[in-house]
Amino acid sequence: QKEVEQDPGPLSVPEGAIVSLNCTYSNSAFQYFMWYRQYSRKGPELLMYTYSSGNKEDGRFTAQVDKSSKYISLFIRDSQPSDSATYLCATIKAAGNKLTFGGGTRVLVKP
Amino acid sequence: AAGVIQSPRHLIKEKRETATLKCYPIPRHDTVYWYQQGPGQDPQFLISFYEKMQSDKGSIPDRFSAQQFSDYHSELNMSSLELGDSALYFCASSLVGGSAPEAFFGQGTRLTVV
Repeated sequence: QKEVEQDPGPLSVPEGAIVSLNCTYSNSAFQYFMWYRQYSRKGPELLMYTYSSGNKEDGRFTAQVDKSSKYISLFIRDSQPSDSATYLCATIKAAGNKLTFGGGTRVLVKP
Repeated sequence: AAGVIQSPRHLIKEKRETATLKCYPIPRHDTVYWYQQGPGQDPQFLISFYEKMQSDKGSIPDRFSAQQFSDYHSELNMSSLELGDSALYFCASSLVGGSAPEAFFGQGTRLTVV
């Protein structure tokens, strides 16, 4: 079983909808939680990272972490066709440690 | 802002040949990571270096080796290439000394073994 689980999708939404992405993890040692966006054949692009439980907002993106339930979420408001990509959650135990990825969720925002 | 630079972007090799992938981290970053991503898969960790010393090792085949040089660039050497080595290879860098956990990825090298 993977340490970080993520629904592979694909998740198809109409333009302007809220996209909700989720991951669960099993190792309590994970301390930092990140979301990457990856377009086809491109490198993963860091969107946000969080450390503690709670919410963190950056523009149209909101990341949530619930360490008690080991649950990570990313919400994309007012989704745009340009948001169509694969979204990867990732965790690390400490700065400098390897990233442990979820499998990625493919998102398609239809105009 | 400067990003992680990888070269070459594309590489075609024959079975049993050798390939060398290069990575230039973001300036002042002290940690470099190598990942392998197969089609439809998430990136798999291969190896990392902190201040030019190997800091962690993942599922890297014995046929692969890597190092980080004095200028902090890193090279991944792959020998006796197999068809299954065809994948996207990403390098990422971070600044551990500043306790910043964010790792930034390069655009990758697409390796095709024929």
